[in-house]
Amino acid sequence: DSGVTQTPKHLITATGQRVTLRCSPRSGDLSVYWYQQSLDQGLQFLIQYYNGEERAKGNILERFSAQQFPDLHSELNLSSLELGDSALYFCASSASRDRMNTEAFFGQGTRLTVV
Amino acid sequence: AQTVTQSQPEMSVQEAETVTLSCTYDTSESDYYLFWYKQPPSRQMILVIRQEAYKQQNATENRFSVNFQKAAKSFSLKISDSQLGDAAMYFCAYRDRNRDDKIIFGKGTRLHILP
Repeated sequence: DSGVTQTPKHLITATGQRVTLRCSPRSGDLSVYWYQQSLDQGLQFLIQYYNGEERAKGNILERFSAQQFPDLHSELNLSSLELGDSALYFCASSASRDRMNTEAFFGQGTRLTVV
Repeated sequence: AQTVTQSQPEMSVQEAETVTLSCTYDTSESDYYLFWYKQPPSRQMILVIRQEAYKQQNATENRFSVNFQKAAKSFSLKISDSQLGDAAMYFCAYRDRNRDDKIIFGKGTRLHILP
């Protein structure tokens, strides 16, 4: 168990809809990262938050947005969903207040299927 | 921008044999981390091994070891005594040490273990 919790584990929704994916980082971790993994593909970096502020942005579509709350949990919002948005969405966390972690710890992912 | 390249989309190895997965990266930074992550069929991302760029000694974790060639920007993973449970997708990844920045992943190498 990595200590990173993602909900829900599975999500099936129709095109045009909006969904919210939730991530609770490891206790004390300040950074949250979101990655998208399409079928048999690598991990595409979407966005990073550090202690509530956006730190880095990757190839995130305008239809997608994210935020990190004061309790450090994060949400990824996906709107106007298209079939091509079907993927595994990972959240990862790192960087505790006490020391800079080197690696990121991953949640189990949310499997999004758009039909 | 930093990039990570894995040139072997798939590899196979006989059980109990040794296999080496290749990875090259490009960066202008001198201080960074390199990782190998394993993604088994469960799709969970599991850290296999970590290397700090400032350390000349190659990292080792049980049957897993790396060959880190900083000047050549090469970071290969050697798996000794391959086991059926090693079958997975393996991702090479890079992260700057001095910035809490995103972790950049290669496209992955799918490793098959032949009984």
